[in-house]
Amino acid sequence: GQNIDQPTEMTATEGAIVQINCTYQTSGFNGLFWYQQHAGEAPTFLSYNVLDGLEEKGRFSSFLSRSKGYSYLLLKELQMKDSASYLCAVGLGAGKSTFGDGTTLTVKP
Amino acid sequence: EAGVVQSPRYKIIEKKQPVAFWCNPISGHNTLYWYLQNLGQGPELLIRYENEEAVDDSQLPKDRFSAERLKGVDSTLKIQPAELGDSAVYLCASSSHAGDTQYFGPGTRLTVL
Repeated sequence: GQNIDQPTEMTATEGAIVQINCTYQTSGFNGLFWYQQHAGEAPTFLSYNVLDGLEEKGRFSSFLSRSKGYSYLLLKELQMKDSASYLCAVGLGAGKSTFGDGTTLTVKP
Repeated sequence: EAGVVQSPRYKIIEKKQPVAFWCNPISGHNTLYWYLQNLGQGPELLIRYENEEAVDDSQLPKDRFSAERLKGVDSTLKIQPAELGDSAVYLCASSSHAGDTQYFGPGTRLTVL
């Protein structure tokens, strides 16, 4: 089976930095996606990592270590609008992918 | 560019009734996905289409669920008859090709009473 682990909930303060971890054990791997999902809305794409290392995109960065089965999403200069669920998804190959259950981030003033 | 369109946004039905959801993917996207999402969980794949062919329907409960993607563009997901446990959000997504970034529609929130 496919297994993706993320913390269920996290809380952080506006203006701070938060790191959301994702570990995976899957039968295949050809990339890792992060999606943001606000309550009652659809997931929206944030980042994609296929090689080891850090990908930076504005306030958001994503890191991947394939040997460790580990990724994290780093959010800097947190804003209230960043309160959402963050989904880690692994591409399994052959067009398949599997999603974690998401981490609900609450940003407090 | 228009995103993925789904309708209806909300649906309330009684158990044992049929229900259908419609999805129009982003223009030019070959791959279309139907997901089920329960509260506090990630999306779970029901079926994936490559053009008009269903290439992964292993998680689709075929005794009551059916789907079609005629002409390889828009798609319909049907449940007949609906059960209480089917209450969830049904998400449609599309990607340019299999394995590429997926773009999601707003979803249909189904409540079965």
